[in-house]
Amino acid sequence: DTGVSQNPRHKITKRGQNVTFRCDPISEHNRLYWYRQTLGQGPEFLTYFQNEAQLEKSRLLSDRFSAERPKGSFSTLEIQRTEQGDSAMYLCASSLGLAGESGVETQYFGPGTRLLVL
Amino acid sequence: QKEVEQNSGPLSVPEGAIASLNCTYSDRGSQSFFWYRQYSGKSPELIMSIYSNGDKEDGRFTAQLNKASQYVSLLIRDSQPSDSATYLCAVNTGFQKLVFGTGTRLLVSP
Repeated sequence: DTGVSQNPRHKITKRGQNVTFRCDPISEHNRLYWYRQTLGQGPEFLTYFQNEAQLEKSRLLSDRFSAERPKGSFSTLEIQRTEQGDSAMYLCASSLGLAGESGVETQYFGPGTRLLVL
Repeated sequence: QKEVEQNSGPLSVPEGAIASLNCTYSDRGSQSFFWYRQYSGKSPELIMSIYSNGDKEDGRFTAQLNKASQYVSLLIRDSQPSDSATYLCAVNTGFQKLVFGTGTRLLVSP
């Protein structure tokens, strides 16, 4: 049983560079979420996909942020022209679209990608 | 007013005691509620979920929900030093996103 995986686990980049992160959800999960977490805060929702459709992206932090899930499996989050304020942990989560036996749709998180922008 | 509020702590309890963690939320339409545990530098790990008023028990953990008071709590019985972590309360308002509190840091001393 494999959980949500994310790559890379750590990324150091210089301001102005572009970065791309990958998330592989739990295999039977059709919903995928991206969150950002900064120090001392809870995760902040960015966007989510149901299969390949991006159903909510209004919380993406600026037009420098974009996400894709081209075949409804893995997803990528890209940040263009990175800024020091983008330094954070980027978390991916996945869930079943149906609520499941418990009646509650539960999101399971990957290990995260820690980004440091110098 | 923040959507989900938690006391940041730290909450310090001795080993073997009951730790009580609290969370309030502002959206009355919220449908389901979650407690995640997060160790320093790691990602959130699901502890409990609850969506009906009352108590839900799982091992040493009990989640309590009171929708009228917009209040969720997590009780940890027989606290262990390994329970020392930040506990995040999360609320699903029905729009397929979780809204998190800032977390409560729990310290369990041997």
